[in-house]
Amino acid sequence: GQQLNQSPQSMFIQEGEDVSMNCTSSSIFNTWLWYKQDPGEGPVLLIALYKAGELTSNGRLTAQFGITRKDSFLNISASIPSDVGIYFCAGHINAGGTSYGKLTFGQGTILTVHP
Amino acid sequence: NAGVMQNPRHLVRRRGQEARLRCSPMKGHSHVYWYRQLPEEGLKFMVYLQKENIIDESGMPKERFSAEFPKEGPSILRIQQVVRGDSAAYFCASSAAGAQPQHFGDGTRLSIL
Repeated sequence: GQQLNQSPQSMFIQEGEDVSMNCTSSSIFNTWLWYKQDPGEGPVLLIALYKAGELTSNGRLTAQFGITRKDSFLNISASIPSDVGIYFCAGHINAGGTSYGKLTFGQGTILTVHP
Repeated sequence: NAGVMQNPRHLVRRRGQEARLRCSPMKGHSHVYWYRQLPEEGLKFMVYLQKENIIDESGMPKERFSAEFPKEGPSILRIQQVVRGDSAAYFCASSAAGAQPQHFGDGTRLSIL
């Protein structure tokens, strides 16, 4: 089936550092979404992207929808301890039919921030 | 709390029993989705429902699993004759329309003894 390759798998950084993670696919996406999941909780939506080339910020977070519509990245600037968690990319693949509602998820990036 | 509500948060069942997981979408949302998450993995799509209709069930196992979203009341994910491999976290999400961003509940953690 369709796959999203998310990297890196995990990151260990110092507080204050910037972070970058990305997702790539062989399929074209209509939307890209970035979520953060804390232990024992559900994913929380961080940023939603709708157009190729779109660059959107949410506080210290910035994400971009790749021009080819097959990739996206998420940057976190000046990381703080509460940024710890698992970050997932997800998107709606341009597959037509009744699959327009289905979200395909990446494998996640585990972020650890040392104070 | 206007978010997606799931219950129970934890459910323990013995092999062969039935599991019923409930989801109430966010206020104003009529599109509901169910996903399954195994430890250290991303979420895998199971089914997409809109009031009284199943839109896409391409991720549902062919046997033992069913889902509904009645006109009144929460969406239900039902697993009959559970087996150990059904142990996972099951998440529900809702959206205002089919291709709009989905907002997730905190999940039901199903454990099979």
